[in-house]
Amino acid sequence: DGGITQSPKYLFRKEGQNVTLSCEQNLNHDAMYWYRQDPGQGLRLIYYSQIVNDFQKGDIAEGYSVSREKKESFPLTVTSAQKNPTAFYLCASSRMGQGGEKLFFGSGTQLSVL
Amino acid sequence: SQQGEEDPQALSIQEGENATMNCSYKTSINNLQWYRQNSGRGLVHLILIRSNEREKHSGRLRVTLDTSKKSSSLLITASRAADTASYFCATDVEGAQKLVFGQGTRLTINP
Repeated sequence: DGGITQSPKYLFRKEGQNVTLSCEQNLNHDAMYWYRQDPGQGLRLIYYSQIVNDFQKGDIAEGYSVSREKKESFPLTVTSAQKNPTAFYLCASSRMGQGGEKLFFGSGTQLSVL
Repeated sequence: SQQGEEDPQALSIQEGENATMNCSYKTSINNLQWYRQNSGRGLVHLILIRSNEREKHSGRLRVTLDTSKKSSSLLITASRAADTASYFCATDVEGAQKLVFGQGTRLTINP
């Protein structure tokens, strides 16, 4: 099955801890994205990558970091600098890194603070 | 504030009725997309309408775009319980290489 796989589905973070959310795609898409969704809200862009070894900050990048060493993978690290990390995190990909492309989404990771 | 804003924020109708959701945006766009999200899941792409198109259909879905009013509407005809979800519009803003999502409309279809 082609698609995007996010793991884990649920994640708990302790105070001062960094945690990493995994996102893998086998759609051969060039572009990948991370969004944050708070309850009852829309999606806000954290980081995006249009090509391997390159990525750009989105609207709310502070407290987050990413890497894009492989085309298939775009992990997101929520650092201890992110003071309000509790949210639903969604990874997406598109064929090319342009706004006119439709996005394919993973099933999300719910991050909570202990 | 968000580029796209949906209206209403929540909508509850009886099965079989039609559901209409609206999206307004602020700046010029290249295209507008609609997505559906079931509770606790990722978003699923429904339809894309380009700025030079006025109406588009896909099955029971009908999308209109009025660039002069900077607004779009999504109509779901003959609604079913399985249509219960949140619906988001997303705009491809001219000059930006990303989609900007609205806050969504929560649609509930009552059997």
